[in-house]
Amino acid sequence: GQGVEQPDNLMSVEGTFARVNCTYSTSGFNGLSWYQQREGHAPVFLSYVVLDGLKDSGHFSTFLSRSNGYSYLLLTELQIKDSASYLCAVRDQGSALGRLHFGAGTQLIVIP
Amino acid sequence: GPKVLQIPSHQIIDMGQMVTLNCDPVSNHLYFYWYKQILGQQMEFLVNFYNGKVMEKSKLFKDQFSVERPDGSYFTLKIQPTALEDSAVYFCASSLRAGGYAEQFFGPGTRLTVL
Repeated sequence: GQGVEQPDNLMSVEGTFARVNCTYSTSGFNGLSWYQQREGHAPVFLSYVVLDGLKDSGHFSTFLSRSNGYSYLLLTELQIKDSASYLCAVRDQGSALGRLHFGAGTQLIVIP
Repeated sequence: GPKVLQIPSHQIIDMGQMVTLNCDPVSNHLYFYWYKQILGQQMEFLVNFYNGKVMEKSKLFKDQFSVERPDGSYFTLKIQPTALEDSAVYFCASSLRAGGYAEQFFGPGTRLTVL
């Protein structure tokens, strides 16, 4: 089966950082995507990783360890507007067209 | 950036009725997807669609569900007849390419309530 797990909630202080964790257990692996979603709006694509290591994209960075089935999204220099739900989604190897298996999302609250 | 539109944003219907959810994908995209999200749970894959055909579907894509994109217009999800457990938010997505690096662009969802 496909399992993608994320913590429900995370709170961090404005100006600091937040790390959103994701663990997965899937039948095969063909990459992992991170999305940001605000209430009532479309999920917005942030990053895609398929190779181990840290991928630095400025405000957002992502890390992947395939042997551990683990990824994180790192947000630095947090702003209040970064408060949103962050979704982790894994592509399984059996899907040629890109079927995504989502976690339930982590609700990040940035406080002043 | 490119946007996917979904119409309507909310739909309330009685159990047993038919409903059609409409998706206006990004104009040059070729691959289309529907996902279902029950309140408080994760988004789950329903179906993907390419070149006029269903390519993959999950166990959630019941016999009462169908998809089509007639003449390159809206990509639609039809449920006939609806059941109480069909109440959820349905997200449409599209992508230019398939496979790993192909970003899926999502719409804002249609909230379906079946009474």
